Amino acid sequence: EPEVTQTPSHQVTQMGQEVILRCVPISNHLYFYWYRQILGQKVEFLVSFYNNEISEKSEIFDDQFSVERPDGSNFTLKIRSTKLEDSAMYFCASRKTGGWGYGYTFGSGTRLTVV
Amino acid sequence: TQLLEQSPQFLSIQEGENLTVYCNSSSVFSSLQWYRQEPGEGPVLLVTVVTGGEVKKLKRLTFQFGDARKDSSLHITAAQPGDTGLYLCAGAGNYGQNFVFGPGTRLSVLP
Repeated sequence: EPEVTQTPSHQVTQMGQEVILRCVPISNHLYFYWYRQILGQKVEFLVSFYNNEISEKSEIFDDQFSVERPDGSNFTLKIRSTKLEDSAMYFCASRKTGGWGYGYTFGSGTRLTVV
Repeated sequence: TQLLEQSPQFLSIQEGENLTVYCNSSSVFSSLQWYRQEPGEGPVLLVTVVTGGEVKKLKRLTFQFGDARKDSSLHITAAQPGDTGLYLCAGAGNYGQNFVFGPGTRLSVLP
């Protein structure tokens, strides 16, 4: 079964530092996403990416956040200057198409802890 | 913003019992999905429903999409400890729109 791979599984960073979370989506998928889940809270949409550009972003995805697909396989989320409230599980997901009938395949997540 | 509510928030039952969890919204969804999430893992897709009134079965799990496409239910027959987890529903309003997740129902099945 194809998987979405995320690294690292856990990252601890100092407040104000930059972090890059990495994802390798399923190879024939065209739509890529980042979601986050603060401990005990619901899964929240951050950003979607298609055809090498952002297609939609949420209010959470402010100027501190950016995404990139630097080569044909990796999909990264960068947080420029981390805040304590950025501590959460960050999930990457991909889909083959944007159609209604297709669900997301999620990675196992990166647990980001900002201290 | 489309919001999804799920009930109950928590459910603890004995192995072998049946249960139903609900996902409700005041908005109409074009597509609704159910996921199960285990601690420290990402959500895993169980089913996608797109037609009002649609019923889908996955072994002991039965999913129904409401006629008005504003609500959905997940029924589990003869629950097993392996069914323990956080059950999430997620809905999308329009084609290509991103899915919005509900807060989840945390199910615990005791042996």
